[in-house]
Amino acid sequence: GNSVTQMEGPVTLSEEAFLTINCTYTATGYPSLFWYVQYPGEGLQLLLKATKADDKGSNKGFEATYRKETTSFHLEKGSVQVSDSAVYFCALSGGTSYGKLTFGQGTILTVHP
Amino acid sequence: EAGVVQSPRYKIIEKKQPVAFWCNPISGHNTLYWYLQNLGQGPELLIRYENEEAVDDSQLPKDRFSAERLKGVDSTLKIQPAELGDSAVYLCASSPSGQGIYNEQFFGPGTRLTVL
Repeated sequence: GNSVTQMEGPVTLSEEAFLTINCTYTATGYPSLFWYVQYPGEGLQLLLKATKADDKGSNKGFEATYRKETTSFHLEKGSVQVSDSAVYFCALSGGTSYGKLTFGQGTILTVHP
Repeated sequence: EAGVVQSPRYKIIEKKQPVAFWCNPISGHNTLYWYLQNLGQGPELLIRYENEEAVDDSQLPKDRFSAERLKGVDSTLKIQPAELGDSAVYLCASSPSGQGIYNEQFFGPGTRLTVL
């Protein structure tokens, strides 16, 4: 079946540092890939998505590129802010996960001033 | 536009007691999902509804869990009896349609259940 693996966390950075959170997946067919973010006390929110190979999703300075050859969808941001502190989830939909999201385990990001 | 509403936000019960969670999806969203999120893990789907029909309940532990979505709008998830291992966050999400893999799912804030 489908699965998503995220880098081990938590991640702690200083403000304005470069962020990478690794995500790899296993899926049949051509899934869509997502990054969701969960701020403290809030529900999950879609951060960005990509629906086919080589697509780049971007939002709020975050980017991720759908790499079919490496089955990866790594999240990057050039300069993080304290307000980016949250839990980030990589997810996929499609293939054997049709109609539902399959999530990774989440990565806690803490940004210090 | 109002988001997905869930209640209660927090619930503490003793084991073997029943508990129910309520969800009201975004107006017009035909598809409703219930997810279970254990501490330190990503959400896992329990059940998916298309209107009032449960189209995927393969991960719902039917011996103690039940769900309903009467009239295809709001939904209730019930556990009876609750066990210690049921302590988790129960998330509700909705989307305009379950047809197609591109649709964003909109999540509620969740209900945090603690079973003592």
